[in-house]
Amino acid sequence: AQTVTQSQPEMSVQEAETVTLSCTYDTSESDYYLFWYKQPPSRQMILVIRQEAYKQQNATENRFSVNFQKAAKSFSLKISDSQLGDAAMYFCAYRSARQGGSEKLVFGKGTKLTVNP
Amino acid sequence: KAGVTQTPRYLIKTRGQQVTLSCSPISGHRSVSWYQQTPGQGLQFLFEYFSETQRNKGNFPGRFSGRQFSNSRSEMNVSTLELGDSALYLCASSSLPSASETQYFGPGTRLLVL
Repeated sequence: AQTVTQSQPEMSVQEAETVTLSCTYDTSESDYYLFWYKQPPSRQMILVIRQEAYKQQNATENRFSVNFQKAAKSFSLKISDSQLGDAAMYFCAYRSARQGGSEKLVFGKGTKLTVNP
Repeated sequence: KAGVTQTPRYLIKTRGQQVTLSCSPISGHRSVSWYQQTPGQGLQFLFEYFSETQRNKGNFPGRFSGRQFSNSRSEMNVSTLELGDSALYLCASSSLPSASETQYFGPGTRLLVL
């Protein structure tokens, strides 16, 4: 079974600074997808960024980018120019792409990000 | 396009009762998944539906059940509620039950069992 580990329960960053959230995962599969979801106090899960394992190029979405290291099974999220609205729980998630497999998301425990003004 | 909607948003029940939660996916989405979120266990997969058929089920007791209607709306039911069922129940929809399709989440239903 796949597992996702987020080793930082809490992180803090100063407004306008850069912060990196860590995520590692364990799988024997070669084809999969990785995601970062953001959950603000409203509890609505919002997709931040996704990465296809077959793509070597790291995904970017505006101020958000990932460092995907497939061999190391590492998938970190970098938030540049942090804003107060970035404060939230961030969840790393794995999804198998195996044909006939479950399309469920496997989540890490989350990292609570605080942005200080 | 309207997002995923879940009703009710908040619910208080007592032990032994049953509860039904509803999820309306994004228009055109035919796959619906349910997740339970608790402080202790985090986010756990409950089940997934596509074309009115349950495709996958997580490791939950039989008290947890669900169904999907022909308009892709889904309901989940929890019978004989226990205190440990208190959680945020999240529904997510995607156009197809494919790993390449991104799942979009609703705002959740917060269930409190007393």
